[in-house]
This record gives sequence, structure tokens and C-alpha cells, in this order.
Amino acid sequence: NAGVTQTPKFQVLKTGQSMTLQCAQDMNHEYMSWYRQDPGMGLRLIHYSVGAGITDQGEVPNGYNVSRSTTEDFPLRLLSAAPSQTSVYFCASSLPRDRGRGETQYFGPGTRLLVL
Amino acid sequence: AQTVTQSQPEMSVQEAETVTLSCTYDTSESDYYLFWYKQPPSRQMILVIRQEAYKQQNATENRFSVNFQKAAKSFSLKISDSQLGDAAMYFCAYPNDYKLSFGAGTTVTVRA
Repeated sequence: NAGVTQTPKFQVLKTGQSMTLQCAQDMNHEYMSWYRQDPGMGLRLIHYSVGAGITDQGEVPNGYNVSRSTTEDFPLRLLSAAPSQTSVYFCASSLPRDRGRGETQYFGPGTRLLVL
Repeated sequence: AQTVTQSQPEMSVQEAETVTLSCTYDTSESDYYLFWYKQPPSRQMILVIRQEAYKQQNATENRFSVNFQKAAKSFSLKISDSQLGDAAMYFCAYPNDYKLSFGAGTTVTVRA
């Protein structure tokens, strides 16, 4: 199993550009999520999905869109990048046992995004 | 509102010694889970240990153990016999439904 994969590893964008961060998992996990990591703030939840066709907002959803057409993939879209979106982005997946509370989340390697 | 608090931004420990990282959390639930994750310089997030609140016994994984004080809402991580490979940022995390809340993290430095 490849686990959770993310592409690209690093990306530089100009303000106003759009892009999609890719996330895929091969563990048949129903639950997937996106976090951003900023210095001194830990990881904050952007969006999450409890299954194909179902998504919901996390703590910091503004400026990001998601969709979940398959169990395996959960892309994160930045429609118009802003410097405030400079961060490291992590995708995670898990089984939804006990409403997601009890299961270990498996994280991808992260995508470092720089918005100029 | 901040759900998980880690009050120690940095901790330093001598190799082979013990270090304890603190974490407090806020919840109105009686049955829940708590996690510690490790993030080494590679940035990969790795599960260190998990505690189920209804279990009285503190969780242990090799050199890693927790001191879980439910009434005080405290969940500290103890690293015994510290090794150079333990150098990393450590995050305490509390899952609320499908939303995992992280503390700000504690950077652990191991001195040779």
C-alpha cells in the first residue's frame, strides 16, 4: 500500500492564481480531511469528507473548495490564491469508527505552498 | 475556542534522560480519545500513542507513556531513555466527531 499520497510536494503561486492539491489513499478509508500547518498554530482543519459525495467545512474553510467523487481521491482547490494561504498542507484519512474519534489518522507527506 | 493547549513551545533533553510534555484539553464529553503525534524534520506526521478516556490505565508504547488525568483534563507524554531520533515536534490532538483539534506543538531537542 502506498498509504496517503499528495502532489505536488512544493508549489509556488502568484496571487490570484488557482491550483489543485491532489490527495489519494489506497486503504479504502471513508474519512478524508485536509489540514494546514502554520508556525505556532499546530494543524487546523480546512475541509473533511465522511464518504464519496459528502463534504463539510472545518475550522478554516474560506478560500478553499473540495469535492469527493471517489473513495480514493480528495482534491483541495484554491480558486484565487492569496499570500495568507502560504502554508504546509496535509491530507489525512482514516476509517470512520465512532464518528472518526477513535481511529488513527494516516497523514500524507504534505505539500508546501508559497503564494507570492 | 482553543480545545487543546500545549504550554511548552520547546523542550530540551539529554540523551538517555526523560522528558515530559504537557497537554490540557477542554471537552464536555465523558467518553473520548486523545492522541500524541510526532512530526520529525521530514514533516511526516506519525502516531505516537492513543488513550481511550474510559480506560483507567495509562497507555504505553515502548519508551513513550502518558499520564492521563481525566478530572484535570490533562494528557502529558513522557519520553523515557531519550534518543536522538526522538528529536521532533510533538502534537497533542483531540478528536471531536470528525474534527481533529491539535495543540500548537512542542519542539523536542535531544542533546548528545
